[in-house]
Amino acid sequence: AQSVTQLDSHVSVSEGTPVLLRCNYSSSYSPSLFWYVQHPNKGLQLLLKYTSAATLVKGINGFEAEFKKSETSFHLTKPSAHMSDAAEYFCVVSDRDFGNEKLTFGTGTRLTIIP
Amino acid sequence: DTAVSQTPKYLVTQMGNDKSIKCEQNLGHDTMYWYKQDSKKFLKIMFSYNNKELIINETVPNRFSPKSPDKAHLNLHINSLELGDSAVYFCASSQELGTTGKNFYEQYFGPGTRLTVT
Repeated sequence: AQSVTQLDSHVSVSEGTPVLLRCNYSSSYSPSLFWYVQHPNKGLQLLLKYTSAATLVKGINGFEAEFKKSETSFHLTKPSAHMSDAAEYFCVVSDRDFGNEKLTFGTGTRLTIIP
Repeated sequence: DTAVSQTPKYLVTQMGNDKSIKCEQNLGHDTMYWYKQDSKKFLKIMFSYNNKELIINETVPNRFSPKSPDKAHLNLHINSLELGDSAVYFCASSQELGTTGKNFYEQYFGPGTRLTVT
């Protein structure tokens, strides 16, 4: 069975300061990992994905995440927060279930940007 | 062009009613999904269809019945609506992508349908 733990339900940072959203995973297999973002009253958008290639993954809008197998972590970072980054962020682990992708979502981290 | 679309965007109805939510994707994907997001923002998969066949059914009450007339559409019909069905329902689709010998599927999500049962 696979699972994802997002360690912070809410993170607040000032505009222009670094962002760190933490995620730990558990998977029986070599996992694929994703970060999705959900802006208020919007659908989910894929930020970045890890699929056993490079451990440091770059995504859209300046976000990146590093896969650390020894720590079973996939933390999301951004060097400098922007007001438009305020949203809900979901860490997701994937598994193959009868040949089809099955995503397991974390409980989400709400990112607030302080002007 | 909209990749994954859902209708309606908002749905308010009374307990006991039957309602449907429609989903369409124009990405040519083979697999479609329904997710439920509760009031605490927790997302959980409900169903998965591949080429019109049910693949994943995550212990959802049988009041929920997905229907896939073709691989571009996956509709969700809900009978005898209950208060606890109030949530945002997301449709998604995916197509196998291969990279470095490991296949993975990137899922594309629709904008969601906010269902409120009164």
